[in-house]
Amino acid sequence: KQEVTQIPAALSVPEGENLVLNCSFTDSAIYNLQWFRQDPGKGLTSLLLIQSSQREQTSGRLNASLDKSSGRSTLYIAASQPGDSATYLCAVNESNTGKLIFGQGTTLQVKP
Amino acid sequence: EAQVTQNPRYLITVTGKKLTVTCSQNMNHEYMSWYRQDPGLGLRQIYYSMNVEVTDKGDVPEGYKVSRKEKRNFPLILESPSPNQTSLYFCASSFSGNRGYTFGSGTRLTVV
Repeated sequence: KQEVTQIPAALSVPEGENLVLNCSFTDSAIYNLQWFRQDPGKGLTSLLLIQSSQREQTSGRLNASLDKSSGRSTLYIAASQPGDSATYLCAVNESNTGKLIFGQGTTLQVKP
Repeated sequence: EAQVTQNPRYLITVTGKKLTVTCSQNMNHEYMSWYRQDPGLGLRQIYYSMNVEVTDKGDVPEGYKVSRKEKRNFPLILESPSPNQTSLYFCASSFSGNRGYTFGSGTRLTVV
């Protein structure tokens, strides 16, 4: 059974710092991996989608990498800003049913 | 604007009173899913649909029903809500099972 783990559960950094969020999964047979952002009590906003054949995707200050063989993905946030404060969720899509298996998330606080 | 629209955003109801949470997408997506999010348990899939008239159970389907009579709509039905169904619910859609997902803004349901 696929399990997705995100470490750390919470992270607090000063503004301007570069940071890395980690996501690991137990079964490497995935279709893709998607990173989401969730603000308190709000919906999920898709940040980056990495297909199983890809190694990384970039969008602005965000860069996500995928190492299927080791069951790991990282989300790199450059020059963090207070507006980046949110919970970041990774989810793997492991079958043609399209079911997403989510990690528990990393709650990020960026202090001014 | 491409989006998934859920209604209502907030709902307080009493045990046993049937309710429906609507979900509509305007992206001509084939796949639609319902998830619930609970503290400590994360996001779990309730039901999913791979196409019109095709629905199947996710990980936590007990107490819920769905229908997919047309491509754009995927309502979630609680025939007899109970307090353990108090949760934050999300509808999501995707072009296909191995593409990225778009999530709605969520419905916060409280059953008393």
